Amino acid sequence: SQTIHQWPATLVQPVGSPLSLECTVEGTSNPNLYWYRQAAGRGLQLLFYSVGIGQISSEVPQNLSASRPQDRQFILSSKKLLLSDSGFYLCAWSVTTFSEAFFGQGTRLTVV
Amino acid sequence: QKEVEQNSGPLSVPEGAIASLNCTYSDRGSQSFFWYRQYSGKSPELIMFIYSNGDKEDGRFTAQLNKASQYVSLLIRDSQPSDSATYLCAVGIQGAQKLVFGQGTRLTINP
Repeated sequence: SQTIHQWPATLVQPVGSPLSLECTVEGTSNPNLYWYRQAAGRGLQLLFYSVGIGQISSEVPQNLSASRPQDRQFILSSKKLLLSDSGFYLCAWSVTTFSEAFFGQGTRLTVV
Repeated sequence: QKEVEQNSGPLSVPEGAIASLNCTYSDRGSQSFFWYRQYSGKSPELIMFIYSNGDKEDGRFTAQLNKASQYVSLLIRDSQPSDSATYLCAVGIQGAQKLVFGQGTRLTINP
């Protein structure tokens, strides 16, 4: 069966520090991968999605970036965090664009 | 216009009643539609998916899709306090290769 791992679960980082969140999927090949962010009490904002290794589409211009160095690995990064980067970050995968997405447990990031 | 829109609520429904959640989308080529439930502090979990016009039933849940009017809805029958959560509508956007979520509707079931 397929599983998705996302870590860490919680993170407190100072403003201006770097960020690296990692997500891996097991049990499937060439999944579509997504990074979403959810501000407190708000909906899911699509940040990045990838349909294959090295293929990254960015939805919102910001100081975040994403990479997909391996088929089932998706990384979200920032060189310098802002206060506004605080939120609940969710990684998800799907078989195709039109199939259901399955989410990791999420990372709650607080920038202080 | 947002790609996927939901009434953010909150929606309050008495226990045992029917809760009705609605979602509209802008891309006429959209082919896949999903409802997720999200408890506070947790990640979303899939409740139902629907691809064809009409109704799809799964237990107490019924998803309804009307492509001509570009809306999808979720009905929850015999609502229980455990159904209290935020419900997210998601649409697979054809041609854009992405899954887009609405802002979610917060549902509260009152005992």
